[in-house]
Amino acid sequence: DTGVSQDPRHKITKRGQNVTFRCDPISEHNRLYWYRQTLGQGPEFLTYFQNEAQLEKSRLLSDRFSAERPKGSFSTLEIQRTEQGDSAMYLCASSLGRGERETQYFGPGTRLLVL
Amino acid sequence: AQTVTQSQPEMSVQEAETVTLSCTYDTSESNYYLFWYKQPPSRQMILVIRQEAYKQQNATENRFSVNFQKAAKSFSLKISDSQLGDTAMYFCAFMMTGGATNKLIFGTGTLLAVQP
Repeated sequence: DTGVSQDPRHKITKRGQNVTFRCDPISEHNRLYWYRQTLGQGPEFLTYFQNEAQLEKSRLLSDRFSAERPKGSFSTLEIQRTEQGDSAMYLCASSLGRGERETQYFGPGTRLLVL
Repeated sequence: AQTVTQSQPEMSVQEAETVTLSCTYDTSESNYYLFWYKQPPSRQMILVIRQEAYKQQNATENRFSVNFQKAAKSFSLKISDSQLGDTAMYFCAFMMTGGATNKLIFGTGTLLAVQP
């Protein structure tokens, strides 16, 4: 068990560029979550996958954001036409299922800075 | 909608002493989980402790324990024998069970500094 990994750890981009982040969950976890954390705030839910199906998207996730989880393994989060307001830490978490197994384990995050 | 409130933005404690972090939440649900997560500086978020709402007994994990008051919708974290490595941002989080996603709703966090 190597834990949840995210790549890249840091990304600096210019406004208007597209960026893509990757999350690799714990191998047997079928649930995957994306959260966004801005300075001084707690993480906010963005979207959720159960296996390869995207079952919920927050209203925070504008149409510039898209997430995928092909084959129910790793996930990608893409932001098109980045804006300065997109600057944040993007966190990925995974879990095994319901009850005791619903505890979410977080990755180290990808810190995005949009200039 | 559920909300989580942490009213202490920052706290400080001397090494080896005890500190309590406060958390209140608002929900109309009866079945849910509560969590405390720790986020050390520049490091990833890790689970400290969890509490199932249907359990009356307060959860404990070594030096960490909670005071869960369901009627008051209060969920405080007590850290005993504080260590320098406990320095971190602490987040209280709520999860409704039986829903479609089990997403976490976080408070704004309490920055805890353990002083030598």
